[in-house]
Amino acid sequence: GAVVSQHPSRVICKSGTSVKIECRSLDFQATTMFWYRQFPKKSLMLMATSNEGSKATYEQGVEKDKFLINHASLTLSTLTVTSAHPEDSSFYICSAIAGTSTDTQYFGPGTRLTVL
Amino acid sequence: AQSVTQLDSHVSVSEGTPVLLRCNYSSSYSPSLFWYVQHPNKGLQLLLKYTSAATLVKGINGFEAEFKKSETSFHLTKPSAHMSDAAEYFCVVSDGYGNKLVFGAGTILRVKS
Repeated sequence: GAVVSQHPSRVICKSGTSVKIECRSLDFQATTMFWYRQFPKKSLMLMATSNEGSKATYEQGVEKDKFLINHASLTLSTLTVTSAHPEDSSFYICSAIAGTSTDTQYFGPGTRLTVL
Repeated sequence: AQSVTQLDSHVSVSEGTPVLLRCNYSSSYSPSLFWYVQHPNKGLQLLLKYTSAATLVKGINGFEAEFKKSETSFHLTKPSAHMSDAAEYFCVVSDGYGNKLVFGAGTILRVKS
C-alpha cells in the first residue's frame, strides 16, 4: 500500500516551453502532497505544500508563477514548470501523506527534467 | 528551526560487516525522525521512523536506529551489510506541524564484495 507514482519519469524540453509533471497516489487519498527538487549530488529541497482544493503554499525563494501547482483531487497533484530554462533542469520528486497519518510521507519515483 | 547533519558523505563497508550511518539533529520541538533510502533511479523508500515512542526503532531490511536525546543523535545501523544495501541514505527531521520534512545532505553507502 501507499504507492505514489509520477509521470513522466523523464522529460526533455526546449527553453521557453512549459512542462507538466503529474503526481498520483495510487491506493490512498492524499489530502496533502509535497513537491521537492533535488539538485545533483545534493539533498532534497521542499518547494511547496499542496492541499486538495486550495492554493499551494510555497517555500521562500520558490517562484509561484514559475512553478504552478494544482491539487484538484485527492489522488492527483500537478507541477507545471512554465517558460522553462536550463537552470530549471533538475530531479523533481513529489510525496503524499496517506489518510490521517501526520508524519509519514510516501515518495514518488521522481521526474528528471532536462531543459535544452 | 529544524536541521539535520549527516556526518559522513560516503561510507564504504565490506559485505557482511556492520553498517553505521551517523546523523545529528537540531529541533525546537520533540522531533519526529526518519531514515529514507534512495536507490539509483528509484524513489525514496522509508526505512524507519521515530515518533516519541521506543527509542530503539527497528525498520525494514534489518536496519535500526536509536534516538539519543542527550546526544541529539539518530544513527542508523545494520549488523551485516548486503550488496543490495548500496544506496544513498537520508536522515530526515519533521517539524511535527504542517509535516515539513528537513533532509540531511545524504550518505552514500558503498558495499564491497
